[in-house]
Amino acid sequence: EAGVTQFPSHSVIEKGQTVTLRCDPISGHDNLYWYRRVMGKEIKFLLHFVKESKQDESGMPNNRFLAERTGGTYSTLKVQPAELEDSGVYFCASSPQQGPGKTQYFGPGTRLLVL
Amino acid sequence: AQKITQTQPGMFVQEKEAVTLDCTYDTSDPSYGLFWYKQPSSGEMIFLIYQGSYDQQNATEGRYSLNFQKARKSANLVISASQLGDSAMYFCAMREGWTASKLTFGTGTRLQVTL
Repeated sequence: EAGVTQFPSHSVIEKGQTVTLRCDPISGHDNLYWYRRVMGKEIKFLLHFVKESKQDESGMPNNRFLAERTGGTYSTLKVQPAELEDSGVYFCASSPQQGPGKTQYFGPGTRLLVL
Repeated sequence: AQKITQTQPGMFVQEKEAVTLDCTYDTSDPSYGLFWYKQPSSGEMIFLIYQGSYDQQNATEGRYSLNFQKARKSANLVISASQLGDSAMYFCAMREGWTASKLTFGTGTRLQVTL
């Protein structure tokens, strides 16, 4: 069974540019999450989809961040325009609706550097 | 107040020895889940073990066990018979409530296994 995949693995952009991150969850997982780890800080929640609906977007830092999950499959996270403080590792995770713990399985992350 | 506290920024352990990584948590929700993840230098987040708040027994997964002390609100990870490949960052995380929802992470502990 394929795990959570994320694309790209790395992205280097200039301040003011746009970047779009993609996440493909484990097949059949209704729940999809985005997290971010800024250098030296803890991993922080951004938002949670259940299928195509945003269940919780309380962690989104501001309106420069836009997440979508059209059709309830893969998700994209767009940052427009990117700022220096957006640099960090963006993780995607998915979990089933049922099962012990509803464990979240993480992707390898996208390392974003804004110059 | 911090919801998840990991007080050990770094730990050393000799190969084949056991090591305990500390995690304390804070929640008023009676239903919650506790998770440990491993992040090797390659960057991916690997799920290790889960403990539910109503679970009577401590969780175990191979060489990993979770020392769950509910009254003390602690969920320490015990790794037995350490291997060089266990060198990594270890994160404790909590999900509050019983439905699928966001994880709150601690700041992590960097474990180094030595010969």
